[in-house]
Amino acid sequence: EDQVTQSPEALRLQEGESSSLNCSYTVSGLRGLFWYRQDPGKGPEFLFTLYSAGEEKEKERLKATLTKKESFLHITAPKPEDSATYLCAVQSADTGGGNKLTFGTGTQLKVEL
Amino acid sequence: KAGVTQTPRYLIKTRGQQVTLSCSPISGHRSVSWYQQTPGQGLQFLFEYFSETQRNKGNFPGRFSGRQFSNSRSEMNVSTLELGDSALYLCASSLGTSGIETQYFGPGTRLLVL
Repeated sequence: EDQVTQSPEALRLQEGESSSLNCSYTVSGLRGLFWYRQDPGKGPEFLFTLYSAGEEKEKERLKATLTKKESFLHITAPKPEDSATYLCAVQSADTGGGNKLTFGTGTQLKVEL
Repeated sequence: KAGVTQTPRYLIKTRGQQVTLSCSPISGHRSVSWYQQTPGQGLQFLFEYFSETQRNKGNFPGRFSGRQFSNSRSEMNVSTLELGDSALYLCASSLGTSGIETQYFGPGTRLLVL
């Protein structure tokens, strides 16, 4: 069974204080690893898809990386508007061609002035 | 392009009742997936529909069912509601034509069962 574990559960940063969020996974054949951001009361917002170990993607202050066992979401010089819950999800090769995602429970990030 | 829309946004029901939630995908998207989000369990996959057929199913009891119409709009139904069904129900859409696709989520329907 696919499993996704995210750490830490919660993270409090000062504005400008860079850090990383971790997503470790166990999956029978990774087809893709997804990062989403979720604000309170809203649906998850897509950030990145990573397909193979060694891949990196960047968007503004965010950079996602992937190894064979885990993914990191690096946040450089965060701002208060980066405060949100960050969700990691995997899609395995075991989905019969479908779109089933297995999610971690998320990291709740709070960036303070 | 309009995003994924879900109706209603909020719903209050009592135990034993049934409920139907609706999801309209992004125009051109043919796959619709449903997820349940609770504080304790996080996001859990319910099922996926593509071209009016259920393509994948999660580990939920048969009280949870869904369907998809020819215009790709989807509904999910929960019968004999239990207190534990209180959750945010999210729908996500994607093109459905390739193996690895980005799923775009709607704002969700928050269901409270009393």
